[in-house]
Amino acid sequence: DADVTQTPRNRITKTGKRIMLECSQTKGHDRMYWYRQDPGLGLRLIYYSFDVKDINKGEISDGYSVSRQAQAKFSLSLESAIPNQTALYFCATSERLKGSRSFYEQYFGPGTRLTVT
Amino acid sequence: GQQLNQSPQSMFIQEGEDVSMNCTSSSIFNTWLWYKQDPGEGPVLLIALYKAGELTSNGRLTAQFGITRKDSFLNISASIPSDVGIYFCAGPLTGFQKLVFGTGTRLLVSP
Repeated sequence: DADVTQTPRNRITKTGKRIMLECSQTKGHDRMYWYRQDPGLGLRLIYYSFDVKDINKGEISDGYSVSRQAQAKFSLSLESAIPNQTALYFCATSERLKGSRSFYEQYFGPGTRLTVT
Repeated sequence: GQQLNQSPQSMFIQEGEDVSMNCTSSSIFNTWLWYKQDPGEGPVLLIALYKAGELTSNGRLTAQFGITRKDSFLNISASIPSDVGIYFCAGPLTGFQKLVFGTGTRLLVSP
């Protein structure tokens, strides 16, 4: 079974609708992240959480909100979806990378493809 | 915000060819990472580099940490069809335990 799962894998929604993307992990990691991927722009950080009580905005948090319901669950919400939020969304978790004292390797889920019409 | 620029943006090569791609930044990084994203999957870490000038291999993949600490390079030797995917460089933002990712290089390999 996958260590990081995302639901749904694909979603088509209409402008103005509220939508939630869910992420669950069985790796026991404290740190979780939400990214979006757009062609030619790479992965951009939306929100990140270092533990259940610690949630931080990333570089493109406008229009998004998150909830860390438990160590293993981190949800991303679009309160009122708009077409330019059409993208591939990834959840990731992290642990300490061997050999590095200050960096954490990130483990990614399979992604959610979201289309806003 | 901080961004890492990768080149080329895409490559279409024949099986058996060697591939080179690079990643540049306007800022210094103390760690460079290379991830690969297979079609329909999330990125997976391939190689991590910790020192300027360091050369590290993982099978047919070799990555180098640039001397200036503002760039990194990834080479793939004798490419095979399963090398298809998007390759991302990444680095940790100073003082923060989060990553900034490059724009990606899409690799296509023809059998």
